[in-house]
Amino acid sequence: QKEVEQDPGPLSVPEGAIVSLNCTYSNSAFQYFMWYRQYSRKGPELLMYTYSSGNKEDGRFTAQVDKSSKYISLFIRDSQPSDSATYLCAMSAARNFNKFYFGSGTKLNVKP
Amino acid sequence: EAGVTQFPSHSVIEKGQTVTLRCDPISGHDNLYWYRRVMGKEIKFLLHFVKESKQDESGMPNNRFLAERTGGTYSTLKVQPAELEDSGVYFCASSRGGLAWDTQYFGPGTRLTVL
Repeated sequence: QKEVEQDPGPLSVPEGAIVSLNCTYSNSAFQYFMWYRQYSRKGPELLMYTYSSGNKEDGRFTAQVDKSSKYISLFIRDSQPSDSATYLCAMSAARNFNKFYFGSGTKLNVKP
Repeated sequence: EAGVTQFPSHSVIEKGQTVTLRCDPISGHDNLYWYRRVMGKEIKFLLHFVKESKQDESGMPNNRFLAERTGGTYSTLKVQPAELEDSGVYFCASSRGGLAWDTQYFGPGTRLTVL
């Protein structure tokens, strides 16, 4: 069983839509949760970082963590064509927080 | 500030050959990480350096892989001999500190193809 599950998509939405991206995980020791964005032929770029459960908002992006369900989400409001990329969730445990476990990534296409 | 750089961007070699990948972290970043993504799979952790010391190498797949970071600056990852299943994209990342909230900045990756 994979540590982190993520629907690969692709997910295609019209410009202005609200996008919901999700990951589930199996390891209850995970405490740190990240969302990375990766454009084609580039390295992953950190978007959001949350610790334990709760919500975090940054501009058009909101990250949610539900540890009881082992489920994390990233919401993108007013999506733009420039948001078209692959979105990767990543997480780590407190005992070794530098060792990231990634989901396989969801490819998002925002159509003008 | 320059980002993490990796060289080469793409390498094509034959099975049994040796390849060395290089990573230059962001200046001043003591922590350096190697990850790889094989086709269709998720990005997986390989190892973590703090300066020149290996902090965690639990993700290294086997002894054909050797990572070094002499002097605590740039790092190399050598694959010898390369096998078909080593094909994939190798990412390097760096962070200033080793704290949980220190962002890991990723390089663009080296795409390795083993024929």
